[in-house]
Amino acid sequence: EDQVTQSPEALRLQEGESSSLNCSYTVSGLRGLFWYRQDPGKGPEFLFTLYSAGEEKEKERLKATLTKKESFLHITAPKPEDSATYLCAVGLSSGSARQLTFGSGTQLTVLP
Amino acid sequence: NAGVTQTPKFRVLKTGQSMTLLCAQDMNHEYMYWYRQDPGMGLRLIHYSVGEGTTAKGEVPDGYNVSRLKKQNFLLGLESAAPSQTSVYFCASSYAGSETQYFGPGTRLLVL
Repeated sequence: EDQVTQSPEALRLQEGESSSLNCSYTVSGLRGLFWYRQDPGKGPEFLFTLYSAGEEKEKERLKATLTKKESFLHITAPKPEDSATYLCAVGLSSGSARQLTFGSGTQLTVLP
Repeated sequence: NAGVTQTPKFRVLKTGQSMTLLCAQDMNHEYMYWYRQDPGMGLRLIHYSVGEGTTAKGEVPDGYNVSRLKKQNFLLGLESAAPSQTSVYFCASSYAGSETQYFGPGTRLLVL
């Protein structure tokens, strides 16, 4: 069965304290690995897509990396405005119409 | 350019009542999706559409029906609401050739 697991469920950091969020997956065929950010009371906002092991993408203080079994979202010197829930999702090569399977998210809180 | 909009934002239903959630997008996207989000379970796909007049079942379709009579609109119907359908519902859309899904702000539904 295809599964996406995110850890930790919640993470509290001090401003400037770098850390990483993990997304591990067991799928039959990976079409892509997606990261989204979700603020309270809002819809998810797209951050990155990774397609192959070894690929990396960066945006401001965020860097996403991908291996054959997991993806990491590295947050460097976070600020309070980085507080949000971060979701990862996988697109399956056996799926149709760009279906995504989401993990349950990591709730990040950055304290000033 | 409003992106993806959802109506209503919040609704309370009694068990057995029916209602329709409306999703509209102004990006000329071919694909549209309905998800539900429950605590600890992530986003789960209910139904999706690859074009006007076509719909398909996702992971959790039972108790829901959908229609896509116009390219820009995707309707989600609950014929006889149950407390288990209490959730936050998100609509998303994407281009046929893109992996990126754009989400609406969500509809919070409470079934008593």
